[in-house]
Amino acid sequence: SQKIEQNSEALNIQEGKTATLTCNYTNYSPAYLQWYRQDPGRGPVFLLLIRENEKEKRKERLKVTFDTTLKQSLFHITASEPADSATYLCALNQGGKLIFGQGTELSVKP
Amino acid sequence: SQTIHQWPATLVQPVGSPLSLECTVEGTSNPNLYWYRQAAGRGLQLLFYSVGIGQISSEVPQNLSASRPQDRQFILSSKKLLLSDSGFYLCAWSVPGTGAGRTDTQYFGPGTRLTVL
Repeated sequence: SQKIEQNSEALNIQEGKTATLTCNYTNYSPAYLQWYRQDPGRGPVFLLLIRENEKEKRKERLKVTFDTTLKQSLFHITASEPADSATYLCALNQGGKLIFGQGTELSVKP
Repeated sequence: SQTIHQWPATLVQPVGSPLSLECTVEGTSNPNLYWYRQAAGRGLQLLFYSVGIGQISSEVPQNLSASRPQDRQFILSSKKLLLSDSGFYLCAWSVPGTGAGRTDTQYFGPGTRLTVL
């Protein structure tokens, strides 16, 4: 079955820098991949979706790439702000459902 | 616009007591509905999903059950709680669809923090 791997260690960066989070999957390439943000004690919030035929997707300061050869997606936050601190989850579709990674906690220091 | 509600927000229950968590969605019809559990510092574990009234699929064998008595209402229940049932329970909905336009993007509720003592 499909497995998703995200950096288990928290990512600590300085305000203004670019944060890069990684999502790797093990088996077949999904039709699309999604990224969500989760704040402590809250439900995840959908951020971006990228399809298998798209190399890159942007939304304001966010950028997602999708490399089906490497079986990897990268999630970038440029000009990071302390308000970007949260856990970021990637998710793949499988049979009408989503499989979520464990998430990577991002901490942006002022 | 669509909104999703969950209640209660927090719950402390003794071992062996029953459980009923409710989730309702507004502003959409015939959504796919999902129950997840998230243990502290862990990922989301899909417990149940439903594509219509009375249609429930269980993902993980456990002492929990789910029901969908109305189109936009999803209930998570247990007859006797275990210590291991503690966690953060999330309900989510998605737009059902097929074909190239399908995304399965899920929209989550605020969650219920359950502590079993």
